[in-house]
Amino acid sequence: DGGITQSPKYLFRKEGQNVTLSCEQNLNHDAMYWYRQDPGQGLRLIYYSQIVNDFQKGDIAEGYSVSREKKESFPLTVTSAQKNPTAFYLCASSGQGLGTEAFFGQGTRLTVV
Amino acid sequence: QQQVKQSPQSLIVQKGGISIINCAYENTAFDYFPWYQQFPGKGPALLIAIRPDVSEKKEGRFTISFNKSAKQFSLHIMDSQPGDSATYFCAASLDARDDKIIFGKGTRLHILP
Repeated sequence: DGGITQSPKYLFRKEGQNVTLSCEQNLNHDAMYWYRQDPGQGLRLIYYSQIVNDFQKGDIAEGYSVSREKKESFPLTVTSAQKNPTAFYLCASSGQGLGTEAFFGQGTRLTVV
Repeated sequence: QQQVKQSPQSLIVQKGGISIINCAYENTAFDYFPWYQQFPGKGPALLIAIRPDVSEKKEGRFTISFNKSAKQFSLHIMDSQPGDSATYFCAASLDARDDKIIFGKGTRLHILP
C-alpha cells in the first residue's frame, strides 16, 4: 500500500529533552512537509523540502530541525529550544505538477511534561 | 500575499441542510485550490479541488464555487449528514517546483442529527 507513515502515534517526553518524529513515504513524492496543529490555529508550516538534501523554513521553524537525506524520509526533531512543544504534528508529501494533492500521515501527538 | 483567509471558524448545520464555508486569497498567481477534510485524531485528506479555469466543480454532495475576479472560493455541502462533521481546510498553491501549499485556519463543522 502506498502512503505516508508517521510514528509514533503518541509520544511523551520530559521538558528539556530533544525528540525526533519519524515520517516515511513510499509515494515517490519529491516534496515533504511538517505542520503543527493546535486548537483554533489551523495547520502551521514548520519546514518543507522540495528535494533531497534541501529544505526550507516555514512559518514557525524556531526550535525545530529537519533532515532530508533520503527521498522517502523527512524526520523532525523538536529541540529543547521549542518553548511550547506539546501539539499534534502532521507530516505530508506531494508530487509536482498539475493537481498537486498533499497526502498526510495520521499524525503524532507529542506531550511534553 | 501568501495568506488564505477562511470563514467561519465553526459552523453548526441541521441534518439535510447546506453547509457553506468560504475562503479568500490574495496571490493571483495561485492556480490550484483544494479542500481537505479532517476527522478528529486523523490527518487531513483531499476532498475536492478546483483550478481557476472553471467556476464550479461538483463531486457528489460537495461543490466548489470559484470566483476569480473576487479572489474567493467556497465549499458547499448539500444534504449535510452527521458523518460530514469534521474540520475542513481550504488551501491554495502554485504549480511551481519551489512553492508550498498555503492552508486556511480551518472550519469546524458540526451537523446536528
